Amino acid sequence: AQSVTQLDSQVPVFEEAPVELRCNYSSSVSVYLFWYVQYPNQGLQLLLKYLSGSTLVESINGFEAEFNKSQTSFHLRKPSVHISDTAEYFCAVRRSGTYKYIFGTGTRLKVLA
Amino acid sequence: DGGITQSPKYLFRKEGQNVTLSCEQNLNHDAMYWYRQDPGQGLRLIYYSQIVNDFQKGDIAEGYSVSREKKESFPLTVTSAQKNPTAFYLCASSTGQIQETQYFGPGTRLLVL
Repeated sequence: AQSVTQLDSQVPVFEEAPVELRCNYSSSVSVYLFWYVQYPNQGLQLLLKYLSGSTLVESINGFEAEFNKSQTSFHLRKPSVHISDTAEYFCAVRRSGTYKYIFGTGTRLKVLA
Repeated sequence: DGGITQSPKYLFRKEGQNVTLSCEQNLNHDAMYWYRQDPGQGLRLIYYSQIVNDFQKGDIAEGYSVSREKKESFPLTVTSAQKNPTAFYLCASSTGQIQETQYFGPGTRLLVL
């Protein structure tokens, strides 16, 4: 069965420092990959997605993620974080041809002043 | 404004009681989903529906029921058979197309009295 692993449950980082949130998925078949962000007591918002084409995808607020098929990874990065980036981040996978999304357990990013 | 609404924001259930969580979308999306979120466990799929009058069980359907009589609406009933219902419930929808993205509602927090 398809699975998604987010190894880090919490990541503390100082403001303006770089950060990487890791995501690995299990299947080698064709997949679509997503990163969502969740602020406290709210729903999830799409941050970025990989469907096809360039393996590097970017969001409007400075995050980027790179699809690495050989390592089955889709790590999320930001070169300089802000206090406002403090939130929980979820990686998700959907196999091509299916409607079902599989979510990781989430990584709580805490940006420190 | 297009979007997904969930009501109520907070819901209290007594022992042995069935409760229904509302989810409405005006995005004209074909597919709708219900997830349960528990701390440290990420999102787990309860039910999903690809089209009106059709739905499939997800990974944790026991103790829950759904209906999809209208395209815009996908209510979730938490029955008395669900022994541990305290959680944050998220509804989502998507177009059902290849380039689809899931859009999430703001969530309903269910608490047991």
